[in-house]
Amino acid sequence: EIVLTQSPGTLSLSPGERATLSCRASQSVGSSYLAWYQQKPGQAPRLLMYGASKRATGIPDRFSGSGSGTDFTLTISRLEPEDFAVYYCQQYSSSHTFGQGTKLEIK
Amino acid sequence: EVQLVESGGGLVQPGGSLRLSCAASGFSFNIYGMSWARQAPGKGLEWVSGISGNGINTDYADSVKGRFTISRDNSRNTLYLQMNSLRAEDTAVYYCAKKGLERRSPSDYWGQGTLVTVSS
Repeated sequence: EIVLTQSPGTLSLSPGERATLSCRASQSVGSSYLAWYQQKPGQAPRLLMYGASKRATGIPDRFSGSGSGTDFTLTISRLEPEDFAVYYCQQYSSSHTFGQGTKLEIK
Repeated sequence: EVQLVESGGGLVQPGGSLRLSCAASGFSFNIYGMSWARQAPGKGLEWVSGISGNGINTDYADSVKGRFTISRDNSRNTLYLQMNSLRAEDTAVYYCAKKGLERRSPSDYWGQGTLVTVSS
């Protein structure tokens, strides 16, 4: 089973700042079979990125993804108030697994 | 518009069974793989099971293998999760999700979830 480790566990930033979230896989996830999801309290997850760097439908361009192999990054260039949420990475190269999540909170 | 509506959750005793359903609309259900994921109270997401569009290929997390069975009825546009030998640690909100067209795809649409509580 591929284990995903996200860091940091909690990230405290202010609106307008840049957020960088990390996801590390225990083994290669192949041709970037890595997705990112956003989840707000009481809501279902929403797909943000897939294929490591492709934005899902309707996702604003302040969200970007990068990485390959075992190290991936989600960057939010300028935080908006609605971006404060929990973010999960997921690999779908070998079955599926989620990381434990990064909580992005307002500083 | 893609819609996924889960049902069938509730309170069940340890060792009991429950069948979840997910009614799908707004897309060609029979050509898309589908998944179940869950989230224990206050915890992160856990992928549970997946099934191909034709229902032939299935996959399970080790934590539920041998106890849960995923299936689908393409004539009814409905996804199922049969859960047997339930344990307290199966308590969670269960989400159904639609995958993309490729065999290896993330979940691009999610239902709002149904709560399963396993307790005596």
